[in-house]
Amino acid sequence: DIQMTQSPSSLSASVGDRVTITCRASQGISNSLAWYQQKPAKAPKLLLYAASRLGNGVPSRFSGSGSGTEYTLTISSLQPEDFATYYCQQYYNTPYTFGQGTKLEIK
Amino acid sequence: QVQLQESGPGLVKPSETLSLTCTVSGGSIGIYYWSWIRQPPGKGLEWIGYIYYTGGTNYHPSLKSRVTISLDTSKNQFSLRLNSVTAADTAKYYCARHWEYVSGWYVIDYWGQGTLVTVSS
Repeated sequence: DIQMTQSPSSLSASVGDRVTITCRASQGISNSLAWYQQKPAKAPKLLLYAASRLGNGVPSRFSGSGSGTEYTLTISSLQPEDFATYYCQQYYNTPYTFGQGTKLEIK
Repeated sequence: QVQLQESGPGLVKPSETLSLTCTVSGGSIGIYYWSWIRQPPGKGLEWIGYIYYTGGTNYHPSLKSRVTISLDTSKNQFSLRLNSVTAADTAKYYCARHWEYVSGWYVIDYWGQGTLVTVSS
């Protein structure tokens, strides 16, 4: 299985801040990486796929980058609705695997 | 707008079979992959397996001996059966759609709201 490791596990930030979350894969995944946002008691929502492509209706303050085994999600200017848990997921190989999540909290 | 809705019992006894159905509306079940994913309370996400519209399946190796995913295209539904459940199978179960954005590459783009299944006597 490909292991996905996210860092940090939690993060406190303020509205307007720029934040970056990192996801490392245990082997190369050729940009087959998605980022999801999950709010309490809700289903995950697709933010980015193919490492850097925005999902439908996702604001442009979200961006993704990376290659090989290391990928990042950046939120350029945090909005109140962005406080949530973020997961990365590789779909390069089955079993598809997720990172453990990064909880983004209000400072 | 595609919508997915999970349904099934919220409580299952240990050693019995967990059975859930996902009903897809707003689009055909054809030409996509369809997955089940679960999330234990307060924990992360685990992919269980998928079924393709032709009926082909792929399961997580750790669950493969206990899992069956099936498809009913006439009802636009797909289903999950998980045998011999234990407390460790207590989780919120999500159904989800994979979208082929480039030939051969599928990403999960739509999720159901999820349904909590508790394994307890």
